[in-house]
Amino acid sequence: DTGVSQNPRHKITKRGQNVTFRCDPISEHNRLYWYRQTLGQGPEFLTYFQNEAQLEKSRLLSDRFSAERPKGSFSTLEIQRTEQGDSAMYLCASSLSTVGNTEAFFGQGTRLTVV
Amino acid sequence: AQRVTQPEKLLSVFKGAPVELKCNYSYSGSPELFWYVQYSRQRLQLLLRHISRESIKGFTADLNKGETSFHLKKPFAQEEDSAMYYCALRGGDKVIFGPGTSLSVIP
Repeated sequence: DTGVSQNPRHKITKRGQNVTFRCDPISEHNRLYWYRQTLGQGPEFLTYFQNEAQLEKSRLLSDRFSAERPKGSFSTLEIQRTEQGDSAMYLCASSLSTVGNTEAFFGQGTRLTVV
Repeated sequence: AQRVTQPEKLLSVFKGAPVELKCNYSYSGSPELFWYVQYSRQRLQLLLRHISRESIKGFTADLNKGETSFHLKKPFAQEEDSAMYYCALRGGDKVIFGPGTSLSVIP
């Protein structure tokens, strides 16, 4: 599968623990996005990268959340001191920012359950 | 503010009947509108975008700037169309999604 890959697919953690998710985008894509999706809602934008630069962060992204894309390839999303409200599907998407080509390709997501 | 609304959470139609999934948006500039679809146990994928003006799987959508709408239509629904449909707007560099409509096509 040469699409966007996310690991792990599922994560169950105890409240207060830290978790880290990984996203491997499509190799030539320079943009990478993180979204969060809760039951019955559409994906909510969290942050995005252009190469290794984090260009925008949503106010949804509290201080407990941090995202990196150190070499402009894969990205990690870390949540510190998890809370039950963090339980959600975390989606990663990538795209190639060229004129007339703005389609974002999504990964399967990481489902986080905080108990 | 950028916002996408989809008034119907659930929509059920009979096979062969016409389908219209509604989408309205608010954006101060010139938006780019999309429809994404998520079939059961599959990832979110692009269905169509307004700039392409194409028909995908029999679906079409027309951007109406006056009514700020981008409704998705298909003249004859098929069972395989059952899925979650999300309207999305690109304003600047990020894509904002609506809450989604679950379409169920009854055989």
